[in-house]
Amino acid sequence: AQSVTQPDIHITVSEGASLELRCNYSYGATPYLFWYVQSPGQGLQLLLKYFSGDTLVQGIKGFEAEFKRSQSSFNLRKPSVHWSDAAEYFCAVGFSGTYKYIFGTGTRLKVLA
Amino acid sequence: DSGVTQTPKHLITATGQRVTLRCSPRSGDLSVYWYQQSLDQGLQFLIQYYNGEERAKGNILERFSAQQFPDLHSELNLSSLELGDSALYFCASSTRRTGELFFGEGSRLTVL
Repeated sequence: AQSVTQPDIHITVSEGASLELRCNYSYGATPYLFWYVQSPGQGLQLLLKYFSGDTLVQGIKGFEAEFKRSQSSFNLRKPSVHWSDAAEYFCAVGFSGTYKYIFGTGTRLKVLA
Repeated sequence: DSGVTQTPKHLITATGQRVTLRCSPRSGDLSVYWYQQSLDQGLQFLIQYYNGEERAKGNILERFSAQQFPDLHSELNLSSLELGDSALYFCASSTRRTGELFFGEGSRLTVL
């Protein structure tokens, strides 16, 4: 069955530290991959997306993600976290030629000053 | 600003009542998605429309219904409301299959 797993429900990091949020998917082919961020009381904002090509994708706000086919993963990274990055992060997959998307359960990021 | 507009932003109502949530997609987007986000269920896909036609259905209750109008705006109707229907309801739109979704800011429904 198709699924998206974000194994970390909560992550706490200190401001200035590096960050990696994990995302794994289960699907027979390569899906389209997305990371969204949701600040409290806000809608979801697209951080970055992977459709094809270079497996290292740059996004907004200094985020990047790397697609690893062998691991069925699309982990989100940021070299230095800012207090304003505190939010919930969702990984999502889309399936070529369809209107279907599956979202992970989200990872809530807390940033310590 | 994603370009997706949802109204109302907040809504408080009583059990047994009926409400309508409205969504205007980004200009040019033909596809509209509805999601429910609650604390214990995460982000749940409800239903999707493309150019006025229903294309996919997720975990939508029979008490809920939706439609997309010729001007492409969409409405989500929630009836016989229960306490458990309290949640954030998001609308998202997309230009094409598997393109990125653009989300509105949501309608927060509180059922008392």
